[in-house]
Amino acid sequence: DTEVTQTPKHLVMGMTNKKSLKCEQHMGHRAMYWYKQKAKKPPELMFVYSYEKLSINESVPSRFSPECPNSSLLNLHLHALQPEDSALYLCASSQAPGFQPGELFFGEGSRLTVL
Amino acid sequence: AQSVTQLGSHVSVSEGALVLLRCNYSSSVPPYLFWYVQYPNQGLQLLLKYTSAATLVKGINGFEAEFKKSETSFHLTKPSAHMSDAAEYFCAVRSGAGSYQLTFGKGTKLSVIP
Repeated sequence: DTEVTQTPKHLVMGMTNKKSLKCEQHMGHRAMYWYKQKAKKPPELMFVYSYEKLSINESVPSRFSPECPNSSLLNLHLHALQPEDSALYLCASSQAPGFQPGELFFGEGSRLTVL
Repeated sequence: AQSVTQLGSHVSVSEGALVLLRCNYSSSVPPYLFWYVQYPNQGLQLLLKYTSAATLVKGINGFEAEFKKSETSFHLTKPSAHMSDAAEYFCAVRSGAGSYQLTFGKGTKLSVIP
């Protein structure tokens, strides 16, 4: 059983919709991540939150808006997406940098389809 | 800068045969190295990690990996493949304890032939 929980597992949305992906962890980790994964590709980093503050934004389009309400929760708000945004979105958590070795723990992912 | 190269995008082995998945890395500082496995339509699961405590690392499901600094390699092995090992495997490197960045290789799909 994964200790990082993502909801929903599947999401279909139109290009004008607004939806959100949610992620929750209870491992006491202070760093949380959003990755995007296309088929047959490795995960690509989108955002990193450290101690509830946005630390890294990998030049992600503004139609993706992350939010970290507290140390256990991470959201990804979606608005006006394009069909090419269809992918598996993975949430992960880790101890904050400075703690070795900092392995990431991933959720099962949210499969997003944009019509 | 750090990078990971996984040799072979697809590896096929017979059930019961040795599994060898290759990973080479580059890092300007002593690295932390990881192997992850991903089953279809699932997230990534940590198989094992190298943290400099020992060069031979044992992980879950009978996998192990050996860190060879001189060869900048961290190859993943399993003595006897099982059908349930069929999955995508990713090698990843984190350069230094203070870095958030985890760089993934392109992945190797392992097929197990009955």
